[in-house]
Order: sequence, then structure tokens, then C-alpha cells
Amino acid sequence: EDKVVQSPLSLVVHEGDTVTLNCSYEVTNFRSLLWYKQEKKAPTFLFMLTSSGIEKKSGRLSSILDKKELFSILNITATQTGDSAIYLCAVEAHNAGNNRKLIWGLGTSLAVNP
Amino acid sequence: GAGVSQSPRYKVAKRGQDVALRCDPISGHVSLFWYQQALGQGPEFLTYFQNEAQLDKSGLPSDRFFAERPEGSVSTLKIQRTQQEDSAVYLCASSSRSGPYNEQFFGPGTRLTVL
Repeated sequence: EDKVVQSPLSLVVHEGDTVTLNCSYEVTNFRSLLWYKQEKKAPTFLFMLTSSGIEKKSGRLSSILDKKELFSILNITATQTGDSAIYLCAVEAHNAGNNRKLIWGLGTSLAVNP
Repeated sequence: GAGVSQSPRYKVAKRGQDVALRCDPISGHVSLFWYQQALGQGPEFLTYFQNEAQLDKSGLPSDRFFAERPEGSVSTLKIQRTQQEDSAVYLCASSSRSGPYNEQFFGPGTRLTVL
């Protein structure tokens, strides 16, 4: 069965800390790995990763994929209270009928305290 | 049916026109999702239905976007007064389980181009 596992489930840090969020997966016919940030409303897309070893970066956020070890990390440096959110990882894959599907992790709840 | 189907597969609209995109989910799937995907980006969540109830529409980018699923099966995403920035692939997905983050199956998408 395809699955996506995120860790930790929750994390509390102080402003200025650096955090690393983990996403591991077991899926057949991998297509891409996606990171989203969810605050009080719909999740917002952060990164799409398809190739190993190529870091994607946006401001203080960065992410990288390891397709050999089947995981991705999301790094946030110099955290701010506005980074407090649930970070969701999802893996896009093809199913037996070559249709796309999306498998979600449970998310990591990050709280950044001032 | 074997999977999620969407129509039309391609739509070209002149700026200001209204468009309607259709999604037929997998039979019996209770949850239905609409996403917008720009080239090279991941799908952006637009809205989510559980049966006929629209539980979350916070991802809809403006009040020109409207989605419905009146009988809890087929869904229509309508975009009024289309703008060039609406050009994207619109993906529909369905899931057999309730809740927004269970396994979802995508349709082939509708590629909308607004001139």
C-alpha cells in the first residue's frame, strides 16, 4: 500500500531557530513530491520535487529529495512566528491504470514562539 | 467508469468570457477536489466537496470562481470574466473517503488558455 509518513508530527521552536521537517514515502510509480503550508485555510503550494539532489529554495525555505532513500526534507532557517502552520507532504504517483493519484502525509504542526 | 474524467480537455477563451469545466469523479467517491496547476508547479488547492457539500472554498482565487456539485457526483467549476492569469491546468480529483487528505485520484485535467 502506498504511504507517506511525516515526522515529527509536531514541533515547537523559538524564533530564530532552524527546523528540519521529514517526509518519507513508499509508493510505486513515483512522479513527484510536493510540500504545502497550511494555516487557517487551504494549503498553499511550496515546492515540487522530481529529481534527487536538486535543492529547491524560496527565501528561508528549502527542500531536497532523495529518491534512493525515499525521503525529502523541508528546512526553514531563522524561523519567524509567521512560519507557524501545518506543513503537508504529498506524493504524486501513477496507479495501475496510469492515472495520477496523490497520497498525503498527516502533516507536521510547527509552532514558532516569540 | 475506470477513473476520473474531465471535459473539455482543452479550452481556449477570450478574456472576459465565462467558462465551465466539468468533472466526473470515480463512481461512489464521496470527496471531490479542484486544483489549479501552473506549468512546472504543484497543484494549488481550490475547493473541496464532501458529497454535495462544499466544505472548503478558501483556495478559490477570487469571486469569479465558483464550484458546485449539486447531486454529490458530477462537479462543475465555473470561471466568470476570465483573465489571462486564469490560464492553467485545472485538475479534478476524487477520493473514496471523507476528509481532505486521503488518497486522491486525479482526472486528466482541463488546460485553459485565456487570450
